[in-house]
Amino acid sequence: DGGITQSPKYLFRKEGQNVTLSCEQNLNHDAMYWYRQDPGQGLRLIYYSQIVNDFQKGDIAEGYSVSREKKESFPLTVTSAQKNPTAFYLCASSIYDVNTGELFFGEGSRLTVL
Amino acid sequence: QQQVKQSPQSLIVQKGGIPIINCAYENTAFDYFPWYQQFPGKGPALLIAIRPDVSEKKEGRFTISFNKSAKQFSLHIMDSQPGDSATYFCAASFFGNEKLTFGTGTRLTIIP
Repeated sequence: DGGITQSPKYLFRKEGQNVTLSCEQNLNHDAMYWYRQDPGQGLRLIYYSQIVNDFQKGDIAEGYSVSREKKESFPLTVTSAQKNPTAFYLCASSIYDVNTGELFFGEGSRLTVL
Repeated sequence: QQQVKQSPQSLIVQKGGIPIINCAYENTAFDYFPWYQQFPGKGPALLIAIRPDVSEKKEGRFTISFNKSAKQFSLHIMDSQPGDSATYFCAASFFGNEKLTFGTGTRLTIIP
């Protein structure tokens, strides 16, 4: 089945540690996105990529890093510089850009910093 | 700053009622307005979307009403069911912009 796979589903991290969230898609989509979801704040864009080896900062990129070495993969690293990393992280993809079609989301990764 | 303001934050409706969720936007360049539905522990999924050349769009029990002059759009759910209980997000974008701007979400509960 085509879709987006995020892993791990749940992750605990100690303060000061970096952690990488995986996102893989087999939809052959060009564009991929990372969103952060916090209660009462909706979905906020962290990073997005429209093509391999290129990505752009979203609205809240500080403390995060990404790579796009393959079309299918868009991992997100939450670094120790992120001051409040506990959140629900959602990866998404679309055909090219969001104005031409829908975003397909994964089931998310819940990160808790202890 | 591009913003989409969504209300209410939460909503409880009895089964069969018509919940209405409202969104307002500022950027007149927006020309694509989707609604996403999210169940607990899952990612959001596209429910219905509208472009500003029409004032209303229906898909099954879900209707978007769009008021271009007021820069507002709303989601109506006819004959609501407990299975419609979810969080709903409105969003907006415009051609050439790679990003969707999301509202803050509405947690809808349909009680039997």
